[in-house]
Amino acid sequence: QKEVEQNSGPLSVPEGAIASLNCTYSDRGSQSFFWYRQYSGKSPELIMSIYSNGDKEDGRFTAQLNKASQYVSLLIRDSQPSDSATYLCAVNERGSQGNLIFGKGTKLSVKP
Amino acid sequence: EPEVTQTPSHQVTQMGQEVILRCVPISNHLYFYWYRQILGQKVEFLVSFYNNEISEKSEIFDDQFSVERPDGSNFTLKIRSTKLEDSAMYFCASRPSDSYGYTFGSGTRLTVV
Repeated sequence: QKEVEQNSGPLSVPEGAIASLNCTYSDRGSQSFFWYRQYSGKSPELIMSIYSNGDKEDGRFTAQLNKASQYVSLLIRDSQPSDSATYLCAVNERGSQGNLIFGKGTKLSVKP
Repeated sequence: EPEVTQTPSHQVTQMGQEVILRCVPISNHLYFYWYRQILGQKVEFLVSFYNNEISEKSEIFDDQFSVERPDGSNFTLKIRSTKLEDSAMYFCASRPSDSYGYTFGSGTRLTVV
């Protein structure tokens, strides 16, 4: 059974701080990794994708991938109250037509 | 920005009734998906669709489920005889051929009573 694990939180950080979200996955052959943001009652919104080991930065977001450790993380710099949401880690199922396996998500709360 | 459109936003149905959930994917996308999310649970893959046929389906996608692309724009999910445990948010998603990053629709909240 292929799994994606995340700490469900809640993770609470003060406004302006760095939020660090972590994810591990079980299928060593996975190649594509995604972070989605989901506000309560809304659909997932893609915020980052990463395919190679290392860091990928996009504005205040940095995704980090370590395939040897089967670990993906998302850093949010200068956290804002509007970043308060559940962050879903998703991994492309190997050999599929892009089917994603999602983690349960980490709920982030940014306190003003 | 292009978006995936889903209708209705909320559907209430009696157990045993058939429901059809509708989606209009982004026009130049070639891969279409249905996912569901039971309240408080993970987003779960149901089915993928490419080139007018099902590519893959999960164990959840049993004989009561079907998908169709009846014309060039719509993509539908039919649940033939709904059960209480089918109550969930159903998300349609699409992606282009050169990226695995999906765009999700806003979802249909299905409530089976």
